[in-house]
Amino acid sequence: QVHLQESGPGLVKPSETLSLTCHVSGVSITSHYWTWIRQTPGKGLEWIGYIYYSGTSKYNPSVRGRVTLSVDTSKSEVSLKLNSVTTADTAVYYCARETSAITGSMVYFEPWGPGILVTVSS
Amino acid sequence: QSVLTQPPAVSGAPGQRVTISCAGNISNIGAGYDVHWYKQLPPTAPQIFIYVNNHRPSGVPDRVSASKSGTSASLAISGLQVEDEGDYYCQSYDSLSGYVFGTGTTVTV
Repeated sequence: QVHLQESGPGLVKPSETLSLTCHVSGVSITSHYWTWIRQTPGKGLEWIGYIYYSGTSKYNPSVRGRVTLSVDTSKSEVSLKLNSVTTADTAVYYCARETSAITGSMVYFEPWGPGILVTVSS
Repeated sequence: QSVLTQPPAVSGAPGQRVTISCAGNISNIGAGYDVHWYKQLPPTAPQIFIYVNNHRPSGVPDRVSASKSGTSASLAISGLQVEDEGDYYCQSYDSLSGYVFGTGTTVTV
C-alpha cells in the first residue's frame, strides 16, 4: 500500500523559504511522478508542480521562479522549497502520486498524504 | 485561483438526486482534457471519486455518475445518503497553467 507523509516546519516567517519533505513508502519512488498541491480557504486547491526522479518537472506559473521540487531516491523523499514566502502562501500542503488507470488518459492524484499546515507569519 | 467553476453548495433530502457542475473553457475541458472528481471530508485529504470523466473507483456506488460535454462536466449523485456529505472538487488540465481544480462544492444531505 502506497503511503505518503509530509513533514516540515509549521511556521515560516515572511520572505523566508518554506521547505517540506514527503516520504514515500510502499512503492518505488522512481516509478511515478510526484506532485505537490496546496489548499487555502480563499483559493481552494492549487496545483504547485510535479517532479520525476530524473529531474523532469513542471511548475504552476503562479509560483514558477519561487519553487523548486527535487527527489532523493536514497531516502525515498520528495522535497518542496518555496522561497520569498508571504502570508498568501499560508496553506495546507499535500504531496500526491500521479497515477493513470487508463492508457493515454490524463493522470489523476492518488493517494494523497494527510497534508501539513504551514503558516507564514512573523 | 481556481480556473474551473463549481456551485459553492448543493443540498438534498435523503433519496433525492443532486448534480454538481464544473464549468471550464476552451483551454481546459473544452480542449479535450479529461475531468476527474475528488471527495474530501475535512480535515482529511481529498480522495479520487471519479476518474477519466465517468469511471468509478472501487468503493464508489453505482448511484454516482459523471459526464463531460463541451467546456463543462457534471457529477450526479442519486439516492442521496448521509454518507454522501462532503466537499467535491473537479480537476482537469489547462494548457496555460497546468493542472487545475474546481472551486469546490459542499454537499449537504
